[in-house]
Amino acid sequence: NAGVTQTPKFRVLKTGQSMTLLCAQDMNHEYMYWYRQDPGMGLRLIHYSVGEGTTAKGEVPDGYNVSRLKKQNFLLGLESAAPSQTSVYFCASSEMPPLGVMNTEAFFGQGTRLTVV
Amino acid sequence: GENVEQHPSTLSVQEGDSAVIKCTYSDSASNYFPWYKQELGKGPQLIIDIRSNVGEKKDQRIAVTLNKTAKHFSLHITETQPEDSAVYFCAASRAQKLVFGQGTRLTINP
Repeated sequence: NAGVTQTPKFRVLKTGQSMTLLCAQDMNHEYMYWYRQDPGMGLRLIHYSVGEGTTAKGEVPDGYNVSRLKKQNFLLGLESAAPSQTSVYFCASSEMPPLGVMNTEAFFGQGTRLTVV
Repeated sequence: GENVEQHPSTLSVQEGDSAVIKCTYSDSASNYFPWYKQELGKGPQLIIDIRSNVGEKKDQRIAVTLNKTAKHFSLHITETQPEDSAVYFCAASRAQKLVFGQGTRLTINP
């Protein structure tokens, strides 16, 4: 049981290049999230998904796109990378809350360190 | 939207002493307040959480308190050990979306 796995772990991009970050979870969770972590700013939500085929914008969605074609995978795309997108990216997943429960624990991957030069 | 403020940004304590980290939130509809520990090079990991219908929760050396009226919650670590050194994040959530504080780097001095 691997939990949440992110690929790749490190990447260096040139300005204007594109790439896709892959997140895979094996816990059959409905909810998946992409966060970015910058020094002194905590983790900020980029996009999230409440189920296969659905996506929604978070706090800082500009410059990113996502897709959830399969329940276990959540992809984060950068179409034209900018230096401001240099960050550590974390994927997380959580199960759908049972009836009467408002929130459930979010499980995080190990992160992807992205540098845009 | 929700805004979470966390203090202090850095905290250094002697081994065996207690550490306290405080957070405030702005959205009175938030009803779930987890605390995450992040070790170097790893993703955040949940250490304790509290829901809005509870004022205090304890798990061995770790406790969390919640004051809904004042919209603040705190993490208390007693009898600190070297392995408690890490970055700690508070968060507030409703409808399954977490908003994080800025983080506290806790250093335990031997």
